[in-house]
Amino acid sequence: EIVLTQSPGTLSLSPGERATLSCRASQTVSSNYLAWYQQKPGQAPRLLIFGASSRAIGIPDRFSGSGSGTDFTLTISRLEPEDFVVYYCQQYGSSPQTFGQGTKVEIK
Amino acid sequence: EVQLVESGGGLVQPGGSLRLSCAASGFTFSNYWMHWVRQAPGKGLFWVSRINRDGSTLTYADSVQGRFTISRDNAKNTLYLQMNSLRAEDTAVYYCVRDVTDWGQGTLVTVSS
Repeated sequence: EIVLTQSPGTLSLSPGERATLSCRASQTVSSNYLAWYQQKPGQAPRLLIFGASSRAIGIPDRFSGSGSGTDFTLTISRLEPEDFVVYYCQQYGSSPQTFGQGTKVEIK
Repeated sequence: EVQLVESGGGLVQPGGSLRLSCAASGFTFSNYWMHWVRQAPGKGLFWVSRINRDGSTLTYADSVQGRFTISRDNAKNTLYLQMNSLRAEDTAVYYCVRDVTDWGQGTLVTVSS
């Protein structure tokens, strides 16, 4: 099973700042099948990025994904007030699919 | 518009059973792998099970293997999760997921005496 470790656990930033979230895999993620989700309180997760770097439909271009192999990054170029929530990475290239433990982006 | 609507959650005693359903619409259901993912209260996401397009390939997380059964009815555009021998640690919101892209709003399963 591939273990995904997200860091930091909590990221304290101000609106307008740049956020960099990390997701490290214990083994190579097959075909870079790595997704990022955003989850707001009381809501289902929303897909932001798939295939490590492809933005999902309707996702603002301030969200970008990068990386390959075992190291992946989600970047939010300029934080908007609605971006201060929790983010998860997921690998779906190997079974069982696994999720990281999440990164909370909070207002500083 | 893709819609996934889960139902069937509720309160059940340890050792009991529940059957979750997920009604799909807005896309050709039989063309997609489907998954169940759960989230315990205040915790992260945990992948539970998946099923291929025609229901011939089923995969489970180790912690539910032998207790849960995923199935689908492509004629009814519906995904199911039969959950037996439920434990307190199965308490969670259960989400129906299409590929990695679309999620339902979830149904809460509470296992408690």
